[in-house]
Amino acid sequence: GDSVTQMEGPVTLSEEAFLTINCTYTATGYPSLFWYVQYPGEGLQLLLKATKADDKGSNKGFEATYRKETTSFHLEKGSVQVSDSAVYFCALATGGGNKLTFGTGTQLKVEL
Amino acid sequence: GAVVSQHPSWVICKSGTSVKIECRSLDFQATTMFWYRQFPKQSLMLMATSNEGSKATYEQGVEKDKFLINHASLTLSTLTVTSAHPEDSSFYICSAHPPGSYNEQFFGPGTRLTVL
Repeated sequence: GDSVTQMEGPVTLSEEAFLTINCTYTATGYPSLFWYVQYPGEGLQLLLKATKADDKGSNKGFEATYRKETTSFHLEKGSVQVSDSAVYFCALATGGGNKLTFGTGTQLKVEL
Repeated sequence: GAVVSQHPSWVICKSGTSVKIECRSLDFQATTMFWYRQFPKQSLMLMATSNEGSKATYEQGVEKDKFLINHASLTLSTLTVTSAHPEDSSFYICSAHPPGSYNEQFFGPGTRLTVL
């Protein structure tokens, strides 16, 4: 079945550091890939997405490229801020409107 | 656009009582909504898929009689936790799938349930 593997956290960085959160997947067919962010006490917000190979999703300085050859969708940001502290979930979906398969989430802590 | 709300945002109840959580799509019609449960510091676990006008589809291991789902209209789905017990305490999140948004779901802010 479909699965998503994320690097374990927590990841602790200093402000303005470079961020990478690794995400790899296994799926039947051609999935759409997503990164969601969850701030403390809140629901999930879509951060970015990519629907086909080599697509790059980007939002708020975050980027991720759909790499079919390595089945990866790593999240990157060049300079993190304290306000980026949250839990980040990688997810995939196959078919139209079907359920999402989530990774376990990676907690990011950004310190001054 | 594509805003999903949940009510209440938090609720505390006594063991043995039932609690209803509402999930609304505010600016679109959703034929399909999803209910998730999230334990502290863990990922989301899909509980069920709520289909407007038909019975919900439950994931394996989720008790249908315990977690009643009703999708009465294209903008409202409800989750009722019946005869709640402390182990039902959790963060419940719903999501909705807008028409035309291929594979994309929009999430509600979640409901924190605490059963005493």
